[in-house]
Amino acid sequence: DAGITQSPRYKITETGRQVTLMCHQTWSHSYMFWYRQDLGHGLRLIYYSAAADITDKGEVPDGYVVSRSKTENFPLTLESATRSQTSVYFCASKHTDTQYFGPGTRLTVL
Amino acid sequence: QQQVKQSPQSLIVQKGGIPIINCAYENTAFDYFPWYQQFPGKGPALLIAIRPDVSEKKEGRFTISFNKSAKQFSLHIMDSQPGDSATYFCAASRADNFNKFYFGSGTKLNVKP
Repeated sequence: DAGITQSPRYKITETGRQVTLMCHQTWSHSYMFWYRQDLGHGLRLIYYSAAADITDKGEVPDGYVVSRSKTENFPLTLESATRSQTSVYFCASKHTDTQYFGPGTRLTVL
Repeated sequence: QQQVKQSPQSLIVQKGGIPIINCAYENTAFDYFPWYQQFPGKGPALLIAIRPDVSEKKEGRFTISFNKSAKQFSLHIMDSQPGDSATYFCAASRADNFNKFYFGSGTKLNVKP
């Protein structure tokens, strides 16, 4: 299917564990983004990438790591998960002015 | 500090009503203002967007009104339908960094049949 896929869709982990959320796009858009969505905060940008091997911080990057070795993939890693990172995570890609969002990953950190 | 402030947090209207969602910003460098619609369990999707050189934009039943001097913009949904029930987010971005979108906190709309 064309578009953006995210995996897993649901994840439960424990404090201190490393977690990687996957994002894959089929369009070859240059720009990709990671957001977290929390009640009362809307969507907040964690990291974004302009192309393979080019990444930059967003509003709330602390505790997260990203990489982009291939244009189509943009994984997000929580190196040592904390309860405050419990959230819904959305990956997006951008074409012209429009951002296209994936279906999201609901992450719970116990 | 939230760059884009959105209100109300939730809204209930009857079918056929005209819900209005408001957003305000402070940064005059913002020059692109999209609205995104999100259904439960889905990612947000672009609904309509406006740039500050126009005061109004319509696409079907959805209208954005833009007041540059007041630094406010709003979404109106004409003849609202139960299928419009969703969460709506406004956003803003700057010409010098158009990849950074600042989103409002969202408005959950419920259109009753």
